Amino acid sequence: AQSVTQLGSHVSVSEGALVLLRCNYSSSVPPYLFWYVQYPNQGLQLLLKYTSAATLVKGINGFEAEFKKSETSFHLTKPSAHMSDAAEYFCAVSDGANDMRFGAGTRLTVKP
Amino acid sequence: GAVVSQHPSRVICKSGTSVKIECRSLDFQATTMFWYRQFPKQSLMLMATSNEGSKATYEQGVEKDKFLINHASLTLSTLTVTSAHPEDSSFYICSARGLAGGINTQYFGPGTRLTVL
Repeated sequence: AQSVTQLGSHVSVSEGALVLLRCNYSSSVPPYLFWYVQYPNQGLQLLLKYTSAATLVKGINGFEAEFKKSETSFHLTKPSAHMSDAAEYFCAVSDGANDMRFGAGTRLTVKP
Repeated sequence: GAVVSQHPSRVICKSGTSVKIECRSLDFQATTMFWYRQFPKQSLMLMATSNEGSKATYEQGVEKDKFLINHASLTLSTLTVTSAHPEDSSFYICSARGLAGGINTQYFGPGTRLTVL
């Protein structure tokens, strides 16, 4: 069985500050890992995905995530937060053959 | 990138009526589609997985007779909420799985907001 745990249901940062959203996974097979962003009343947009190639994955909007097998983590970071980054972020895990399992989500608030 | 559409984006209906939501993969063939529901400020909960041409597989606790899923083609799946009640009000999101860079990736639709009065 696969699962992800997102630490912190709500993260608040100042504009221009570092964004760090935490995700830990559990998987019995090599995982595929994803980060999605959801704006209010909208579907999910793929930010980036890890598919067993490079451990540091760069995504859209300046986000990146690093796969650390030893820590079973896939934390999402962005060096400098922008007001438009305020949204709900979901980490997800898949074995590539079955459906994705989502974390509970982290709401990012960006203060001016 | 791959695009998944949903129709309608928003629907309001009376209690006891049925509502159909369509999910289409616009530029790729999706052998597998997924239906999720999301309550306010909560994560996505998988309702069912549908493979083209076969019966959907429902998650535990999801009533298959209430949430009818049809996956008649590689680009279209429908979810019908039968005899809707206010507790069925939710945000329904479909997802279609297709190949991207050789890796199966799920692409999500924009969601359908269902309100049952």
